[in-house]
Amino acid sequence: QLQLQESGPGLVKPSETLSLTCTVSGGFISSSSYYWGWIRQPPGKGLEWIGSIYYSGSTYYNPSLKSRVTISVDTSKNQFSLKLSSVTAADTAVYYCARPHSPRTPSGLNFWGQGTLVTVSS
Amino acid sequence: QSVLTQPPSVSGAPGLRVTISCTGRSSNIGAAYDVHWYQQLPGTAPKLLIYDNFNRPSGVPDRFSGSKSGTSASLAITGLQAEDEADYYCQSFDSSLSAVVFGGGTKLAVL
Repeated sequence: QLQLQESGPGLVKPSETLSLTCTVSGGFISSSSYYWGWIRQPPGKGLEWIGSIYYSGSTYYNPSLKSRVTISVDTSKNQFSLKLSSVTAADTAVYYCARPHSPRTPSGLNFWGQGTLVTVSS
Repeated sequence: QSVLTQPPSVSGAPGLRVTISCTGRSSNIGAAYDVHWYQQLPGTAPKLLIYDNFNRPSGVPDRFSGSKSGTSASLAITGLQAEDEADYYCQSFDSSLSAVVFGGGTKLAVL
């Protein structure tokens, strides 16, 4: 069974860069035609898609975050990562990594990490 | 303001049926992009409930069903149970944004 696990600092200072990694187990990022995505949820609010990366490396980003987001994949470690620059308090959220049910689409997210809370505060 | 519009809350008595609507536009649901539904229990990650408009992943009870027509989609839950109290989100893809989009979420209360 595919499992995803987010890791990274739980506290980031304003104006700095938030960096998270999602480690995949039970399957290989490089071996199938899937997108791998990041989604976040501010406390008490709804879900917001951040972006997705295809196993080959091509990316889709949320237009509202595109100027600050970089998603990359490291197939040797079976991980993919999120970097969000110039963070503010508005970036405080639970961050999830996820993979869709079906290949070749970033939608229909079936496998989710447990989520990690990142707080932006000095 | 979410690209997909859902009612903030719905409620129903145990055993009855409720529906949750998801209204989009011509660049997402109306453009034939699939709609997916998620259930999120408090403090947990979302769970895929319906994918590709009406399909249920393995393990999801057939009390949950999805439909789509035009620029809207719906999630129906029959035989309401207390454990169905959760937040529900619809999701699709928007071609004008080239982005995955979510609805704002609907809180279901089982009375």
